[in-house]
Amino acid sequence: GAGVSQSPSNKVTEKGKDVELRCDPISGHTALYWYRQSLGQGLEFLIYFQGNSAPDKSGLPSDRFSAERTGGSVSTLTIQRTQQEDSAVYLCASSDWTANLEGYTFGSGTRLTVV
Amino acid sequence: TQLLEQSPQFLSIQEGENLTVYCNSSSVFSSLQWYRQEPGEGPVLLVTVVTGGEVKKLKRLTFQFGDARKDSSLHITAAQPGDTGLYLCAGEKADSWGKLQFGAGTQVVVTP
Repeated sequence: GAGVSQSPSNKVTEKGKDVELRCDPISGHTALYWYRQSLGQGLEFLIYFQGNSAPDKSGLPSDRFSAERTGGSVSTLTIQRTQQEDSAVYLCASSDWTANLEGYTFGSGTRLTVV
Repeated sequence: TQLLEQSPQFLSIQEGENLTVYCNSSSVFSSLQWYRQEPGEGPVLLVTVVTGGEVKKLKRLTFQFGDARKDSSLHITAAQPGDTGLYLCAGEKADSWGKLQFGAGTQVVVTP
């Protein structure tokens, strides 16, 4: 597609349930990123996939969070046993190898609310 | 603690006024980017600066990268309501290629 697509756009879940967030990057972009945005906190890095390299998982806040990228394209971010502090907007972005000059292209995000 | 500190956190001005947003760090960045984000959308890239002392202009927006590549500023001349949004700076460190560190953002509101 022309842009980065994320689904669902909104998700309300009960505390303790698992959720899956999906990201469909721009075709041909080798890099895919997940960030979390909480009110007044800016964007917090979660995980970064680059081509066939091992992902950089250094930003995942706990072992309840995991992500995979199948076939170098679509990515799924999974949060197990959700907690109220997981409520945030989860943003996905993709880029090609010129990210340091051309920047990231972000999706519109998934707003997760844990009740 | 944010690696990149943005100030002010919030700015409300009248149409036609000028404004400056600052992005400061104690770390050196190989490149620094500015994004604008509107409600319900992801951030959109405005500019990338890579050279210390670099100044880039985008219509009424002027971006500057500090000589030491630790800080940056965004200046808007004659602000318009369409400039309203959350402005985010993001830096890439040489040892973390491809991974951007974001500031907390500056919310700018321009009223007619």
